[in-house]
Amino acid sequence: AQTVTQSQPEMSVQEAETVTLSCTYDTSENNYYLFWYKQPPSRQMILVIRQEAYKQQNATENRFSVNFQKAAKSFSLKISDSQLGDTAMYFCAYSLYNNNDMRFGAGTRLTVKP
Amino acid sequence: DTAVSQTPKYLVTQMGNDKSIKCEQNLGHDTMYWYKQDSKKFLKIMFSYNNKELIINETVPNRFSPKSPDKAHLNLHINSLELGDSAVYFCASSLLATAYEQYFGPGTRLTVT
Repeated sequence: AQTVTQSQPEMSVQEAETVTLSCTYDTSENNYYLFWYKQPPSRQMILVIRQEAYKQQNATENRFSVNFQKAAKSFSLKISDSQLGDTAMYFCAYSLYNNNDMRFGAGTRLTVKP
Repeated sequence: DTAVSQTPKYLVTQMGNDKSIKCEQNLGHDTMYWYKQDSKKFLKIMFSYNNKELIINETVPNRFSPKSPDKAHLNLHINSLELGDSAVYFCASSLLATAYEQYFGPGTRLTVT
């Protein structure tokens, strides 16, 4: 069974600094997708970034980037120049390439301090 | 221009009642989902529908039944509500039935008293 582990229940960072959220996953498959979703206090789930396992290049979306280490089954999220609006729960998720059974980690609560 | 909408956003009801949560997406997506997020924020898939066919059922109690009148709607019916059903329920949709980013609704907070 595929599982997703986020070992940091809570993190905090000063505004404008950089923070990295950790995620590891367990799978025996070769083709899959990894995602980071953000859930601010408004409760809305928002896709932050997506990585295809077959791509070696790390995905980047503006201030958000990932460090994808396929052999280590690690998928960390780096947030640069943190902003107050980044305060949210962040969920790492995994999905096999040929189905949509998405598995979520337990989440990391990130607080950006002014 | 809401992509995925859910009604109601809040639902308070008593044990034993039957309730429904509605979900609609205007993205033209083929697949829709229901997730349950418990008090510890753990998010777990309950159902997904692709072209009106149930393709995932994560051993959810049969008191929960998804109903899809058309591709744009996936409603969640819950019979004989229990205290443990209190949670936030999210509807989501994706373009394809294969792995693809999912777009979530705003969630419905269900409280069973």
